[in-house]
Amino acid sequence: DTAVSQTPKYLVTQMGNDKSIKCEQNLGHDTMYWYKQDSKKFLKIMFSYNNKELIINETVPNRFSPKSPDKAHLNLHINSLELGDSAVYFCASSQVNGAGTEAFFGQGTRLTVV
Amino acid sequence: AQSVAQPEDQVNVAEGNPLTVKCTYSVSGNPYLFWYVQYPNRGLQFLLKYITGDNLVKGSYGFEAEFNKSQTSFHLKKPSALVSDSALYFCAVKISSGSARQLTFGSGTQLTVLP
Repeated sequence: DTAVSQTPKYLVTQMGNDKSIKCEQNLGHDTMYWYKQDSKKFLKIMFSYNNKELIINETVPNRFSPKSPDKAHLNLHINSLELGDSAVYFCASSQVNGAGTEAFFGQGTRLTVV
Repeated sequence: AQSVAQPEDQVNVAEGNPLTVKCTYSVSGNPYLFWYVQYPNRGLQFLLKYITGDNLVKGSYGFEAEFNKSQTSFHLKKPSALVSDSALYFCAVKISSGSARQLTFGSGTQLTVLP
């Protein structure tokens, strides 16, 4: 069983399109995250949801909209894709009430905007 | 604000030799410290963490790390490196209080173990 799964693994799309990346965790965690890894491998948090509520929204263009239908899912929708959005996007989950617990990461979605 | 620094972009070590990957942190409050490893085209895998207690923590694949509060460091170590340890290593920190508690990552260190 995959603990944190995200789909698709690869996504190639044209500028201006709208796309979604899905994420599901089966660990029973109360918090889910989206991270962006750029071409230099730097990881930056984008969003965090705790029990379906947004608790972190870093400086991310409003073209990016997370949606959490339930505690086990956190999807990322991106409107009007731009070349600079090309990156690897990682979903993660953790149990925030146990602050020392580690986060579990999905395999990543490599987004290429052409 | 919390931050993590990994001063070395690249570390090369011969197989069988000890390895060290450096990490320093800055937080206002008690830190929780983590090491993750990323293999090519893969997600991040948890290696070990420091929460409290013994400053030397042991983790997966023979790795260990030492928490040094006075130097605000949490260096990753392994007594004898393997070629299969070659990967990208990330140090991360989060604070022990507050509602957010998100992980803040360092810039990563590419470890290459030479046969």
